[in-house]
Order: sequence, then C-alpha cells, then structure tokens
Amino acid sequence: EDQVTQSPEALRLQEGESSSLNCSYTVSGLRGLFWYRQDPGKGPEFLFTLYSAGEEKEKERLKATLTKKESFLHITAPKPEDSATYLCAVHSNTGNQFYFGTGTSLTVIP
Amino acid sequence: DGGITQSPKYLFRKEGQNVTLSCEQNLNHDAMYWYRQDPGQGLRLIYYSQIVNDFQKGDIAEGYSVSREKKESFPLTVTSAQKNPTAFYLCASDTSTGELFFGEGSRLTVL
Repeated sequence: EDQVTQSPEALRLQEGESSSLNCSYTVSGLRGLFWYRQDPGKGPEFLFTLYSAGEEKEKERLKATLTKKESFLHITAPKPEDSATYLCAVHSNTGNQFYFGTGTSLTVIP
Repeated sequence: DGGITQSPKYLFRKEGQNVTLSCEQNLNHDAMYWYRQDPGQGLRLIYYSQIVNDFQKGDIAEGYSVSREKKESFPLTVTSAQKNPTAFYLCASDTSTGELFFGEGSRLTVL
C-alpha cells in the first residue's frame, strides 16, 4: 500500500538552530516526491520536486534530499518567518495518485 | 498572474443544503483535483479530472459531485448526503512534470 509518514509531528526551534524534517514513503512506483509549505488558513505552496535517489534541491535556508525510502528537508539557521506546516507528498505511477503525509508543524522562536 | 482561484473563502451550510465551491485556473493545466484537509490528517482526494468532460472518484467521493465543462473550471458540490462536511477544501492543478499547484482553499462549516 502506498503511504507517506512524516516526523516529527511538531518541532520547535530557536532562531538559528538547524534541524531536519523526515518524510518516509512506500510507493509501488515513484514518479516524484514533493515538499510544500502551508501557512494557517492558506493553500500549500510548492517548494521542491525530487525524482530519484541522491537528488538534492536547495532554496534559501531549505535543502531537500531523497533516498529510496525517505526524504529530508534540512532547515539551516531558521528564522521566525520559516514557521509553517511542511507537507510531503509522493506521486505514484499507479493511477496517477498523489499521497500526502500529515505534515510537520514548525515553530521558530525568536 | 497565473494561478488557481477558489471561492468563497468561507462558507456556511445548514443541514440538508447542497453547496458549491468554485475553482478556476488560468494556468492552462489539463488535470485538476479536489482535496479535503482535516486536522491531523493528510490531504485526501475527493475527485480529479484529467480532461474536459471526464472525471474520476478519489478516495472519499461519497456525498460529493463535480463537473468539468471547461478546462478552466472544476466546481465541487457538497451534497446533503455528505454527513461530515465541515473541513478545509483545496483545489489544485498539476503541471506536465507533476507538481501540484493549489488554490487558497475554502473553509466550509455546517451550522
């Protein structure tokens, strides 16, 4: 069964304290793995797409990596404006379906 | 600017009423999706459409209906048969490389 599990559910960091969010997945055929940022009451905002193990993408303080079983979203020296819920999703070859994790709620304290 | 527009942002429904959520996109994407988001749960697929005049049920289609008469529009009707409709509803479309782009969402509350 295709599924996505994110951990931790919630993370509180001091400003400047780097950390990583995890996304573990099982999928019959991976077309792509996606990271999104979601602010309260808003739609998810696209961050990254990763297609194959070993691939890395960077954007400002965020870096996403991918292995055959999981992806990490590394946050370097976070700022309060990075506070949001980060969602991971996989796009399966089977039936053109997207599977979403439940997200990690990140709070960065000044 | 290109994007996905959902309306209304907030909607209240009385018991027994049908309500329709609007979703319009000017991204020229073929595929469009409706998701439901509840606290503590991942996004769940309600319906999706890959082409005009064609759509498929997702994992939680019961109590919902859609139409796709135009490429730009994919409205979702929440019928009285949906027993627990209070949720945040998200419309999305995807690019040729598979990235989903979302609207700002519609929050439906049952009174």
